Amino acid sequence: LAKTTQPISMDSYEGQEVNITCSHNNIATNDYITWYQQFPSQGPRFIIQGYKTKVTNEVASLFIPADRKSSTLSLPRVSLSDTAVYYCLVGPVTGGGNKLTFGTGTQLKVEL
Amino acid sequence: ETGVTQSPTHLIKTRGQQVTLRCSSQSGHNTVSWYQQALGQGPQFIFQYYREEENGRGNFPPRFSGLQFPNYSSELNVNALELDDSALYLCASSLAGRGDQETQYFGPGTRLLVL
Repeated sequence: LAKTTQPISMDSYEGQEVNITCSHNNIATNDYITWYQQFPSQGPRFIIQGYKTKVTNEVASLFIPADRKSSTLSLPRVSLSDTAVYYCLVGPVTGGGNKLTFGTGTQLKVEL
Repeated sequence: ETGVTQSPTHLIKTRGQQVTLRCSSQSGHNTVSWYQQALGQGPQFIFQYYREEENGRGNFPPRFSGLQFPNYSSELNVNALELDDSALYLCASSLAGRGDQETQYFGPGTRLLVL
């Protein structure tokens, strides 16, 4: 599975847009990019998933350049409740035996 | 809410004991995966079950075993508990076999403490 690199931590203020970038230089052709959010002592929560270009849902946008060697999770107008660890994962999402490989994630801290 | 439930929420055991953790998948899902998350680390893949058979395993010893039942609920069993087994155990369910994206949805986890 492709290895990912993301910042260990980020700080922001309420109302700001937050962009978390993930590097995945050796992403394979059949790999998707998935982001999860995790609060302390809870299971990871699926945020968004994409293969190329741009994906948007009600909580976030995911930007993927043409070479797919990186991706950016964009959280518009964050609030205190967005303080959490954000994980970027890269891997195939079809077929059996699909394991998710988590890194240490990005700890996002949102302040007033 | 993902619809994935786990029991118990917390558990305390002593070294050498055995433990069984349970997971109920989201309705309509046929695949369950188990992860171990140590404090301050990301979740680590233990194994996955698809239609009642093991379908992929991570770097965990054989004393970690599992079952998936016909209703797609699942158990994680750990024998001969060690102190390092203290962690948050997560299960995630997904729907495999559709030939498209198989997003995994996680339960709230079981916090295991081994003394």
